[in-house]
Amino acid sequence: EIVLTQSPGTLSLSPGERATLSCRASQSVSSYLAWYQQKPGQAPRLLMYGASSRATGIPDRFSGSGSGTDFTLTISRLEPEDFAVYYCQQFDSLPRTFGQGTKVEIK
Amino acid sequence: QVQLVQSGSELKKPGASVKVSCKASGYTFTNFALNWVRQAPGQGLEWMGGISTNTGNPTYAQGFTGRFVFSLDTSVSTAYLQISSLKSEDTAVYYCARGGIGVTRPLDFWGQGTLVSVSS
Repeated sequence: EIVLTQSPGTLSLSPGERATLSCRASQSVSSYLAWYQQKPGQAPRLLMYGASSRATGIPDRFSGSGSGTDFTLTISRLEPEDFAVYYCQQFDSLPRTFGQGTKVEIK
Repeated sequence: QVQLVQSGSELKKPGASVKVSCKASGYTFTNFALNWVRQAPGQGLEWMGGISTNTGNPTYAQGFTGRFVFSLDTSVSTAYLQISSLKSEDTAVYYCARGGIGVTRPLDFWGQGTLVSVSS
């Protein structure tokens, strides 16, 4: 089973700042990595897939990079609606696995 | 538009069973697998497995074998998650999500979630 480790656990930032989230895989997942955003009381929403492709309707302040075992999600300038929990997930092999999440909170 | 609509919250006693439904619309049901994801209170996301809507073949993650059953009714574009012999630790929100199992595809659309509470 591929283990995904996200860091940091919590990111305290102000609106307008840049957020950088990391996801590291225990073995290569090629580019088969997705990022999801989850707000309280809501279902997760797909943000990025294939490491760097934005899902439909996702603003361009969100970007992703990486391949193999190291991946990054960047939010260039945080908007109030971006404060949420972010999960990475690999869809390279079974079982699919998620990281434990990074909470982006308002400083 | 693609929609996955799940059945409502359930309150069950330990030892009972529950069946959660996930009705798909807005796309060809048999073109995409349906996955199930669990989220315990205050916890992260856990992939339970999924089912091929083309073949009906289920895939279960470790820890979700035995008491958990995925099924389909393709005539009404609906997937089901049945959990038997419920335990308090099954209390969670259960999500269905469209995505690949045998193919590399992310979970691009999600149901709204179904809260299953298990308490005596």
